[in-house]
Amino acid sequence: RKEVEQDPGPFNVPEGATVAFNCTYSNSASQSFFWYRQDCRKEPKLLMSVYSSGNEDGRFTAQLNRASQYISLLIRDSKLSDSATYLCVVTLFSGGYNKLIFGAGTRLAVHP
Amino acid sequence: DTEVTQTPKHLVMGMTNKKSLKCEQHMGHRAMYWYKQKAKKPPELMFVYSYEKLSINESVPSRFSPECPNSSLLNLHLHALQPEDSALYLCASSQDSRQGYGYTFGSGTRLTVV
Repeated sequence: RKEVEQDPGPFNVPEGATVAFNCTYSNSASQSFFWYRQDCRKEPKLLMSVYSSGNEDGRFTAQLNRASQYISLLIRDSKLSDSATYLCVVTLFSGGYNKLIFGAGTRLAVHP
Repeated sequence: DTEVTQTPKHLVMGMTNKKSLKCEQHMGHRAMYWYKQKAKKPPELMFVYSYEKLSINESVPSRFSPECPNSSLLNLHLHALQPEDSALYLCASSQDSRQGYGYTFGSGTRLTVV
């Protein structure tokens, strides 16, 4: 079983749509949770951290359910510029080091 | 300065060549990392440097040799690579390797081994 699992997509949605991505992680000792965005042939960039209380940043809402080991990202009013791969990332502390563990990513394509 | 700068952006090398990838940050971060990313795959950790000392080597073949000359610089020396080593090599830094947040990634070096 992969440590972090995501639906690879692609999700093809029209502008203005609402789209939701899900992610599950296998290690209950995981400490921190993030969504990163990666554009084609570019580096990953932090989109937002994810907290159990849920957090929102403009059109983006992230949620963490520790009991279910489940993370979600909701994008409202999709823009063409939202087209990218969204990487679910958890951290695990081991050997004195907090390691980032990446999911394989979910591709989003927003069309006019 | 909130950037991680990687050079070169693109590199084509033969299997008998020796080349180096360079990474630089001036954010005062004390942890630096090398990741390898193949197409349509997530980044995979290769090495972690903490306070200029190698703290993690994720069983990387010896044809990849990291070096941290000072707290701002991280190199990756390449020798006798194979075509399957072709990938995007990403450098990242963070304040401290014990923290899981505050990572900044460089834009990467796209390496092709011929």
